Amino acid sequence: GAVVSQHPSWVICKSGTSVKIECRSLDFQATTMFWYRQFPKQSLMLMATSNEGSKATYEQGVEKDKFLINHASLTLSTLTVTSAHPEDSSFYICSARGPNRDLAYEQYFGPGTRLTVT
Amino acid sequence: SQQGEEDPQALSIQEGENATMNCSYKTSINNLQWYRQNSGRGLVHLILIRSNEREKHSGRLRVTLDTSKKSSSLLITASRAADTASYFCATVLTSGTYKYIFGTGTRLKVLA
Repeated sequence: GAVVSQHPSWVICKSGTSVKIECRSLDFQATTMFWYRQFPKQSLMLMATSNEGSKATYEQGVEKDKFLINHASLTLSTLTVTSAHPEDSSFYICSARGPNRDLAYEQYFGPGTRLTVT
Repeated sequence: SQQGEEDPQALSIQEGENATMNCSYKTSINNLQWYRQNSGRGLVHLILIRSNEREKHSGRLRVTLDTSKKSSSLLITASRAADTASYFCATVLTSGTYKYIFGTGTRLKVLA
């Protein structure tokens, strides 16, 4: 149980275009999801916390107009990178918070999406 | 920076040897977790240790937690070439935000 998927697993886009990445909890409802980015040979940096039915909470330094997050259902959160530029090329990973009170402090991670902007 | 610190940043050992990596953090935690990540891939959850636990074992993995020093260590015994990966600790704060703060990571290379 507690499987999280991401789609696509990799994407190449041209500079100036927008890209949408989906994060789905497959067998549980996730009221809270998280989005991370990871540059090569670096750690994961939390970008934002996504709560179902409300606006996402962005970490300091993350442009909310550039990284649009929508958590419209209990099983789906999307991250849209708008007007992507080469410096947005990165590995984007989502996670979903545990489905019940006992697992509230645990997160289940998706496999990641590699974005390359040319 | 909110990130935890891990050391060493990189570690190279021979197959069969033990590997120890350390994680330090800054604030009170609910639990601490260790993850493995192979190059360019997703995270693999290794072990979770709660703030009221001091030591935990899972197969060849041993994790300790010292909340007074705000530190944790991961020991991999009898390492194998397949253990070559990056290892990250992640702390979960008690503040109720449920956010994970990842450490800087240790890149482990096990030589056959």
